[in-house]
Formats: sequence, C-alpha cells, structure tokens
Amino acid sequence: EAGVTQSPTHLIKTRGQQATLRCSPISGHTSVYWYQQALGLGLQFLLWYDEGEERNRGNFPPRFSGRQFPNYSSELNVNALELEDSALYLCATRAGGPEDYSGANVLTFGAGSRLTVL
Amino acid sequence: AQKITQTQPGMFVQEKEAVTLDCTYDTSDPSYGLFWYKQPSSGEMIFLIYQGSYDQQNATEGRYSLNFQKARKSANLVISASQLGDSAMYFCAMREPLRSARQLTFGSGTQLTVLP
Repeated sequence: EAGVTQSPTHLIKTRGQQATLRCSPISGHTSVYWYQQALGLGLQFLLWYDEGEERNRGNFPPRFSGRQFPNYSSELNVNALELEDSALYLCATRAGGPEDYSGANVLTFGAGSRLTVL
Repeated sequence: AQKITQTQPGMFVQEKEAVTLDCTYDTSDPSYGLFWYKQPSSGEMIFLIYQGSYDQQNATEGRYSLNFQKARKSANLVISASQLGDSAMYFCAMREPLRSARQLTFGSGTQLTVLP
C-alpha cells in the first residue's frame, strides 16, 4: 500500500513568489492535515481538510491557503513568500469519521516538501 | 501555556542501553490521546506509540513503551536496547478532540543520538 506522498520534495522560490505543494493521501484516508516545521522547531499546525472542506486552521496569515480535491488529495498554497516561510511542510492523513482512540486512526505523515525562500 | 513540553533538547545513549525521553502535557479535557513520533534526518514522521487517557495500562510496542503517569501529566517514552538506527528526533504529541478539532499538538522534540 502506498503511503502519503508529497511533491515536490524540494522547492526553491524567491521572496514575493507563490509556492504550491501537493499531498496524496493513503487510500481510504479522507482527512488531510498540513504542518509547518521551521528549522530547529517543532511542528506547527497549518490547515485541516476533511471531505473537501476546510475544518480548521492554525495561527497563520491568510496567504497560507489550500484545498482538497474530490479524490481527497490536497494542495497547500503560500502566496507572497517571505524568508521566514522557509521550512519543511509536512502533510498527514487519516481516515475520517468518529473519533477513534484505539490507535489505529493515527496520523500518517509524508516525507515532506522542503521550501526554501531566497 | 505550552500544551506539550519536552525539556530535553538533546540526549545521548550508548548502544544497547535503555533511554527515557521526557514529555509533560497540559490539558483540562478528561479525554485525550498521547502520541510519540520519530523523525529521522529524512524528514518523515514515523508513528511509534499511542496512549489514551482512559487506558489503564501503559502502552508498549516492541522496544518502545510509554510510561504514563496521569496525575503528573507525564507521558515519557522508554526505548529499550537502543540501536544506532534509533538516532533521530522524537516528538511527543497530544490530541484533545473537544478542543483542537482532532489535529495533533506537538512538543519541540528531543534529538536522540545513539553512540556505538
């Protein structure tokens, strides 16, 4: 079974440009989460999509946006790039539905997309 | 206030020895879940172990065990018989379904280095 796939692996942009990152979930997973991991820091929650809708967003400006497609894949868009947007962007997916504390419904992460803003 | 606190930025352990990575959490919810993830230098987050707030026994998964002390709000990860491949960043995380809409809140991580 294929895991969570993210593309591109690396992306280099300059200030003011736009970046688009993509995530394909594990088959059967309908929820997609995006996290930002700046160098030397922990993971900061960005966005959560479930069944095609944005369910929650973290404390990030509106220039961070995204969407989820009918096949449950997702895009993260970052507009007007700033130097501090340089980070590893991680996508994680899980099956949707009622909360499950059995451990079987954990978040499964992709390998990330490393964005460098020059 | 920090939801998840990992006070050890870096830890060293000798190969084949056991190591404990500390994690304390802060929540007022009666129902929550605690997770540990491993992040090798490749970047991918690998799920290790889970503990539910209502679980009576400490979780174990192979060489990993979670020392859950609910009254102290701590969820330390114990790795037995360390291997060189265990060298990685380790993150503790919590889910509070009534408060954070199912996403995980992560600590700042502990960089573990296993010495030969």
